[in-house]
Amino acid sequence: AQTVTQSQPEMSVQEAETVTLSCTYDTSESDYYLFWYKQPPSRQMILVIRQEAYKQQNATENRFSVNFQKAAKSFSLKISDSQLGDAAMYFCAYKGTETSGSRLTFGEGTQLTVNP
Amino acid sequence: KAGVTQTPRYLIKTRGQQVTLSCSPISGHRSVSWYQQTPGQGLQFLFEYFSETQRNKGNFPGRFSGRQFSNSRSEMNVSTLELGDSALYLCASSLSGGFQETQYFGPGTRLLVL
Repeated sequence: AQTVTQSQPEMSVQEAETVTLSCTYDTSESDYYLFWYKQPPSRQMILVIRQEAYKQQNATENRFSVNFQKAAKSFSLKISDSQLGDAAMYFCAYKGTETSGSRLTFGEGTQLTVNP
Repeated sequence: KAGVTQTPRYLIKTRGQQVTLSCSPISGHRSVSWYQQTPGQGLQFLFEYFSETQRNKGNFPGRFSGRQFSNSRSEMNVSTLELGDSALYLCASSLSGGFQETQYFGPGTRLLVL
């Protein structure tokens, strides 16, 4: 079974600074997707960024980028120029080809605090 | 386009009762998945419905069930509620649940069992 691990339960960053959230996963599948979702206090889960395992180029979305290391099974999220609105719980998630349909496997989450 | 909607947003029940939660997917989306979120267990997959059929199921007891209607709206039911069923229940939708598709989540239903 696939597992996703986020080893940092909490992180903090100063406004305008850069922070990196870590995620590792375990799988025997060759193709899969990885996601970062953000869950603010409203509890609405919002997609931040996604990466397909076959794509070597790291995904970027504005201030958000990932460092995808397939061999190391590592998928970290870098937030640049952090803003107060970035404060939230961040979840790393995995979706593989062998688990049918839309099933996502989530990590434990990292609570990000942004200090003014 | 309207997002995923879930009703009710908050619910209080007592042990032994049953509860039904509703999820309306984004227009055009036919796959609906349900997740349970608790502080102790994190986010866990309950089940997925596509074209009114359950396509995938997580490791939950039979007290947890669901269904999907022809308009893709989905309901999940929990019978004989236990204290441990207190959680945030999230649903997510996608076009057809395909591998390349992203799931979009609703705001959740917070269930408290007393």
